[in-house]
Amino acid sequence: AQSVAQPEDQVNVAEGNPLTVKCTYSVSGNPYLFWYVQYPNRGLQFLLKYITGDNLVKGSYGFEAEFNKSQTSFHLKKPSALVSDSALYFCAVRDMGTGRRALTFGSGTRLQVQP
Amino acid sequence: DAGVIQSPRHEVTEMGQEVTLRCKPISGHDYLFWYRQTMMRGLELLIYFNNNVPIDDSGMPEDRFSAKMPNASFSTLKIQPSEPRDSAVYFCASSQNPQLEQFFGPGTRLTVL
Repeated sequence: AQSVAQPEDQVNVAEGNPLTVKCTYSVSGNPYLFWYVQYPNRGLQFLLKYITGDNLVKGSYGFEAEFNKSQTSFHLKKPSALVSDSALYFCAVRDMGTGRRALTFGSGTRLQVQP
Repeated sequence: DAGVIQSPRHEVTEMGQEVTLRCKPISGHDYLFWYRQTMMRGLELLIYFNNNVPIDDSGMPEDRFSAKMPNASFSTLKIQPSEPRDSAVYFCASSQNPQLEQFFGPGTRLTVL
């Protein structure tokens, strides 16, 4: 069965510093990996995805993520955090080794960027 | 396109009442997903449809929950009878195909008293 782990409930970072939000996954086949962001009282918004190709994926708002197959990780990164990046971030995976079309989401990581 | 549309945005009801949540997916999207979000359990997939056909309803909590998709532009999630533990934010999402991202609606905040 496919699963996703986000080991940190909250990440605190100062504005202007680099940020990393961690995600590890478990699948039987090849993974499709996604990052979403949720602002208060809003639905989830797509940030970026990895399907195949380059391990470094660039997405919206200056975010990027690195796919590491050996470590089964897909950490979200940004070189310089903004206060407006403060939100809830979700990692999600789809296991291409199964017929299941749905994504499995992690528990979410709250990012707090201090001015 | 207006994106995924959900109604109502907020619903407050009393235990035992029937609740119906509505979703209009993005035109042309063949997949529709219903999720529930709570503090305790996070984001859970309840059911998803492909071309209006339910594919996986293993996440539906119990028989009190039912979902339909009578046509490509409309889906409902019904809870009958509702219970306080059903209080959550319910999201609908759609996508063109499973390789592409899902687009989420704004959610319906359900409170069952």
